[in-house]
Amino acid sequence: EVVMTQSPATLSVSPGERATLSCRASQSVSNKLAWYQQKPGQAPRLLIYGASTRATGIPARFSGSGSGTEFTLTISSLQSEDFAVYYCQQYNNWPPLTFGGGTKVDIK
Amino acid sequence: QVQLQESGPGLVKSSETLSLTCTVSGGSISSYYWTWIRQPPGQPPGKGLEWIGYIYDIGSTNYNPSLKSRLTISVDTSKNQFSLKLSSVTAADTAVYYCARGRWGNLPLYYYMDVWGKGTTVTVSS
Repeated sequence: EVVMTQSPATLSVSPGERATLSCRASQSVSNKLAWYQQKPGQAPRLLIYGASTRATGIPARFSGSGSGTEFTLTISSLQSEDFAVYYCQQYNNWPPLTFGGGTKVDIK
Repeated sequence: QVQLQESGPGLVKSSETLSLTCTVSGGSISSYYWTWIRQPPGQPPGKGLEWIGYIYDIGSTNYNPSLKSRLTISVDTSKNQFSLKLSSVTAADTAVYYCARGRWGNLPLYYYMDVWGKGTTVTVSS
């Protein structure tokens, strides 16, 4: 099973600032990585797939990068609606699909 | 626009079988991996996400090895529904259960969830 580790667990950022979230895989997953955003009481929403491709309707301030075992989600200028929990998910080696433990982005 | 809605009992007794149904509206149930994912309660909202498994429209399935012995996922294409049955539940099965549409492909390989239901909370009681 591929273990996905996200860091930091919590990231405190001021509105308008840049946020950088990390996701590490226990073995190479190539570029088979997706990112999701989850707000309280809501289901996750797909942001990024293929490590760097934005899903339909996702603003350009969200960008993904990386390959192999190291990945980054960057939010270039945080808006109020971006404060949420973010999860990465690998789909290179499954079953099972595996998710990271999440990074909570909160207001500084 | 495709929408998914989970339904089923919110309370299940320990050692019994948890049964949930996901109704797909606004689109066909064909050609996707119809997926179940769960999220135990706790911070940050809930603990991490756990992939349970999927069913493809022709009935082929793929399950999380950790749940495989207790799990059945089925589909009813005439009703645009797919279902989850998890037997011999314990408190560790208490979670929010989501159904989701999995987009997939082989060349290149991909499988990620682009449409999710709102989720339903299932509590296992002793």
